[in-house]
Amino acid sequence: DIQMTQSPSSLSASVGDSVTITCRASQSISTYLNWYQQKPGKAPKLLIYAAPSLQSGVPSRFSGYGSGTDFTLTISSLQPEDFATYYCQQSYSTPHTFGQGTKLEIK
Amino acid sequence: EVQLLESGGGLVQPGGSLRLSCAGSGFTFSTYAMTWVRQAPGKGLEWVSAISGSDGGTYYADSVKGRFTISRDNSKNTLFLQMSSLRAEDTAIYYCAKGIGPGIAVALTPWGQGTLVTVSS
Repeated sequence: DIQMTQSPSSLSASVGDSVTITCRASQSISTYLNWYQQKPGKAPKLLIYAAPSLQSGVPSRFSGYGSGTDFTLTISSLQPEDFATYYCQQSYSTPHTFGQGTKLEIK
Repeated sequence: EVQLLESGGGLVQPGGSLRLSCAGSGFTFSTYAMTWVRQAPGKGLEWVSAISGSDGGTYYADSVKGRFTISRDNSKNTLFLQMSSLRAEDTAIYYCAKGIGPGIAVALTPWGQGTLVTVSS
């Protein structure tokens, strides 16, 4: 199975800050990398698919980058609604494993 | 609007069985891959199983292989997850999610609201 490792596990930031979350795959997954946002008590929401592609309706302050084994999710100019948990997921080979999550908290 | 609505969760004893359903609407159900993902209380997301929208192929996590069966009834726009030999570690919220294409190597959107499965005596 492909292991997905996110860093950091948690992050504190202020409204208006820019933050970057990293996701590393245990083997090359090309650009089969997706990012999700989950708020407490809610289902996950797709933000980025196939590494750099922004899902329709998602604000442009979210951006994804990477290929192979190393990927990043950057949120520029944090808004209050962005404080949530973020997960990466590889869809290159089954099982389509998720990272352990990064909890983004307000400083 | 694309919607997914799960049902069938509940309390079951270890070793028992349960069948989850996920009713889809607002899209051509038969042409999309569908996936089950679970989340244990306070934990992260775990991919469980997927079924292709192109050839009906099925895929499972090792943790559920041989115990869970994914299927779909395209005439009723419904996805199923038959769970047997349930264990305490299967306790989780189970989400169904639609793939963004027919093959399974795709991202998931949207997700249903989830249904809670509790395995306990």
